[in-house]
This record gives sequence, structure tokens and C-alpha cells, in this order.
Amino acid sequence: AQKITQTQPGMFVQEKEAVTLDCTYDTSDQSYGLFWYKQPSSGEMIFLIYQGSYDEQNATEGRYSLNFQKARKSANLVISASQLGDSAMYFCAISHLVQGGSEKLVFGKGTKLTVNP
Amino acid sequence: SQTIHQWPATLVQPVGSPLSLECTVEGTSNPNLYWYRQAAGRGLQLLFYSVGIGQISSEVPQNLSASRPQDRQFILSSKKLLLSDSGFYLCAWGDTDTQYFGPGTRLTVL
Repeated sequence: AQKITQTQPGMFVQEKEAVTLDCTYDTSDQSYGLFWYKQPSSGEMIFLIYQGSYDEQNATEGRYSLNFQKARKSANLVISASQLGDSAMYFCAISHLVQGGSEKLVFGKGTKLTVNP
Repeated sequence: SQTIHQWPATLVQPVGSPLSLECTVEGTSNPNLYWYRQAAGRGLQLLFYSVGIGQISSEVPQNLSASRPQDRQFILSSKKLLLSDSGFYLCAWGDTDTQYFGPGTRLTVL
């Protein structure tokens, strides 16, 4: 079974600094995807970044980058130049192929990030 | 561009009452659709997914059911709500690599 572990319940960072949110995973699948989502207090889940298991280069999207270390089964999210609006819950997820060619996402328990001015 | 709608945004229901939550997607055809539930302070748990009209797969046996009467409509239902059904319900649609979520429905069962 697939599993995501996020060991940091809460993280604090000063505005304009970089922060790394940890994510380790466990899967027996050969092919999978790793995702990070942001959930502000409004509740919506906002897609941030995706990394395929066969992608050799780390994914980047603006201020977000995914530090993918396949051998260590880790997929840490790095946010550069933190902004006050980055304060939110952050969830790491892994995909798993299910019947009919669909994929389900298995989520971790999340990390609450607080950006201090 | 694709958009996903959910309603209602919030709902307070008594135990034993029925439930119907609706999700619609615009701007895409034949999407994979998903219902997730998030209990307070927890991650998301997949409840149902659908790869086409009338095709529903259940991940967790429970008090809920899902239907897909039209290509871009996904409905979550219950005949009799339980206290444990309280939570934040999120609908999502998926393309080849990513799932995109709707704004969610916050359900409180009293």
C-alpha cells in the first residue's frame, strides 16, 4: 500500500527566507507521481507542483521546487522567498493506478506553515 | 480553462437525514472524477472515483454512495447521515498527471 509521511506538524519561517517541508513515501509501484498541494484556511486544495517518478530533473514552478531523491524515497518541497500568503497547510501526495486507468491520490497528514513578518 | 463547482458550500444536517452534494466540471470532456473527505486536522481520504457516466468505484465501504448521471456531474449521497459523516468533502477532476480540486463542502452532522 502507498503511504506518505510528513513528520513536521508545524513549521515557522521568516518572510523572504526559504523553507523546506519534508515528505517521505512508500510504494511498491514502479511508476508514480508525487504532488504537493496548498490548503489555506478557506479550505480549497491548490495544486502546486508535480514530479513523475521517472523524471530525472527536479520539478520547479515559480518559487516552488521539489527536491526528489528517489533512492531515499523523499520528495521535499522547497519554497523560496516566503511570503505572508504562503501561510497554510501543505499536503504531500502520491498517485496510485486503480481500476479503469484512473489514479487515486494518497495524502499525508500535512504540515502547517506559518510565515512571520 | 477548466473550472469545478461544488454546492452547497456549507451544510448542517441532523443525524438520520439524507444528503446530496453536487459537483460539476466545466471546460473538459470525460474527466476522471473523485470524491474525497477530510476529517478535522487530517489529510484527504478518497471515497469514490469515476472514469465515465454510470461508472462508480468505491474505496471505503461506508454510509455514502456516489452517482455520475452526466459526463461532468458527480453526486455524493446518503440516505441517513451519521455523526461520523461530518467533514470537509472535496470533489476533484483529473487529467493525465494531476488532480484539481473544487472549493469543497463543509458538512456538520448534529
